[in-house]
Amino acid sequence: SQQGEEDPQALSIQEGENATMNCSYKTSINNLQWYRQNSGRGLVHLILIRSNEREKHSGRLRVTLDTSKKSSSLLITASRAADTASYFCAFTGGGNKLTFGTGTQLKVEL
Amino acid sequence: EAEVAQSPRYKITEKSQAVAFWCDPISGHATLYWYRQILGQGPELLVQFQDESVVDDSQLPKDRFSAERLKGVDSTLKIQPAELGDSAMYLCASSSTFGGTNEKLFFGSGTQLSVL
Repeated sequence: SQQGEEDPQALSIQEGENATMNCSYKTSINNLQWYRQNSGRGLVHLILIRSNEREKHSGRLRVTLDTSKKSSSLLITASRAADTASYFCAFTGGGNKLTFGTGTQLKVEL
Repeated sequence: EAEVAQSPRYKITEKSQAVAFWCDPISGHATLYWYRQILGQGPELLVQFQDESVVDDSQLPKDRFSAERLKGVDSTLKIQPAELGDSAMYLCASSSTFGGTNEKLFFGSGTQLSVL
């Protein structure tokens, strides 16, 4: 099945730095969501951006969407050790099936 | 805060055995999803229910996998017989309205299956 592609696959930063991860997809989408997954646990919804929006903020999170380039980015500012997790984009295109990206593993070191 | 309940948390089985996973969605959520997640990859949808009806099972290996949601509330996913390649995390999720277009999904903690 087709998934979104995320890069980088893994990212290691120091606490206090910003973390940026990118998602690319191939189909037209209605909306794009970002989820977080702690190791061995379920996914938690972070933020949703609609196809007619270009940027959205939620606390330390900033999401951008460029439908012409079929890409989205998630920025976590002032990262904390507790942000260590895997982050997945997910999108719905041409139907109601939510398709997940391949994920970015973020490690925030003290 | 309401949560999606899944059990068991871990399951170890031998190949050719039958296994079953259970999920209880958030009360009132009409849509229920089963996803499979292989280590290092994103979740892939196996089956989606709207109430008790299957609306998408295109990626469900129907020769060995079955899923039901008889009363439109909790759900069971079964594998018979299990194969080595079935080792993965099985995630259940629910949402309050049909489809994933505008609704966020709430996930359970998953069942980690190991087939030996």
